[in-house]
Amino acid sequence: ETGVTQTPRHLVMGMTNKKSLKCEQHLGHNAMYWYKQSAKKPLELMFVYNFKEQTENNSVPSRFSPECPNSSHLFLHLHTLQPEDSALYLCASSPSDGNGANIQYFGAGTRLSVL
Amino acid sequence: GQNIDQPTEMTATEGAIVQINCTYQTSGFNGLFWYQQHAGEAPTFLSYNVLDGLEEKGRFSSFLSRSKGYSYLLLKELQMKDSASYLCAVRDSEYKLSFGAGTTVTVRA
Repeated sequence: ETGVTQTPRHLVMGMTNKKSLKCEQHLGHNAMYWYKQSAKKPLELMFVYNFKEQTENNSVPSRFSPECPNSSHLFLHLHTLQPEDSALYLCASSPSDGNGANIQYFGAGTRLSVL
Repeated sequence: GQNIDQPTEMTATEGAIVQINCTYQTSGFNGLFWYQQHAGEAPTFLSYNVLDGLEEKGRFSSFLSRSKGYSYLLLKELQMKDSASYLCAVRDSEYKLSFGAGTTVTVRA
């Protein structure tokens, strides 16, 4: 148990569906992240939120829409996805100390399959 | 862009030692991290190096040479449960974390 919980763990959706991924952290962190992990590829940073404000959008297509209502919750809204979007989507959180290690703690991910 | 290289796979025997190398070329450096990820599970933090030298934590040690853009993770007294993917990640000048593709370590009896 890492203190970061993601739901659902598995999701199958059609290209015309709309779904949302949820992430919740119980670590008191101020920064939250979405990553995409595809087989045999490095984790790709998608979005960063710091104190509920989006500070990074790593050229992610608009069919992915993040939402951060507070420092403990992060959502990723999905619509009209493509089969190549099938991957493991990981959420992470970290402190936001200026000079600290700011270690990121990850959830177990949502395995997404787009048909 | 950032470039972080690590071997794809390594195999070792239970009780042995394995060294996973990581080389990096990034725009700035603000720390190097190693994570362990078992199949279907969350990556879990193993170690953090920001200064040159060796950091030891039980059976796991991590080394950093900033001038060479090089790190390694040393796993001693290997156990079957150490079979996993090991991820090297570097934080750049903008404090963004870039990951290598991971090294899958298989421990055999």
